[in-house]
Amino acid sequence: AQSVTQLGSHVSVSEGALVLLRCNYSSSVPPYLFWYVQYPNQGLQLLLKYTSAATLVKGINGFEAEFKKSETSFHLTKPSAHMSDAAEYFCAVWEGGSEKLVFGKGMKLTVNP
Amino acid sequence: NAGVTQTPKFRVLKTGQSMTLLCAQDMNHEYMYWYRQDPGMGLRLIHYSVGEGTTAKGEVPDGYNVSRLKKQNFLLGLESAAPSQTSVYFCASSYRGHTEAFFGQGTRLTVV
Repeated sequence: AQSVTQLGSHVSVSEGALVLLRCNYSSSVPPYLFWYVQYPNQGLQLLLKYTSAATLVKGINGFEAEFKKSETSFHLTKPSAHMSDAAEYFCAVWEGGSEKLVFGKGMKLTVNP
Repeated sequence: NAGVTQTPKFRVLKTGQSMTLLCAQDMNHEYMYWYRQDPGMGLRLIHYSVGEGTTAKGEVPDGYNVSRLKKQNFLLGLESAAPSQTSVYFCASSYRGHTEAFFGQGTRLTVV
């Protein structure tokens, strides 16, 4: 069965600093991978997704993620954090065999002024 | 364009009571999902549906039932609520499993 691992639950960065959120996946077949963001008291919304067309995926709000098959990773980055990036970020995987969309435990990002 | 609408937004239940959460989508999506979100646990899949009339179990299905009689609606039922079911419940839908999932605003359920 597919799964995603997001190590840690909270990361804190200064405004203007690099944001790096890690995600490792487990899948028996080439997966579809996603990053979602959740702002306080809201549902989730899509940041970006990997569908095998390109290993470097650009998303909204300046975020991007790189798919590395050899490392089974799909880490999310943003060169310069903004206060408005404070939110919880979820990595997710969908595998055709199981038809399930499975999420990681999430990572809460705090941005300090 | 309403997207995904969850009803109700808040509910307090007593242990043993039953209730149904309604999820409605107006995007003609095939796939629909019910998740629960608990602190430190992320989103855990309860049940899902890949089309009208179909349902399947997710990671944490015990204590819940679902129905998808109409393509646009996905109902989540709690037959006998327990305090362990206190959570925030999210519904999501997508055109296909590998396409973007759209989420509702959530239902905050407290079981006392």
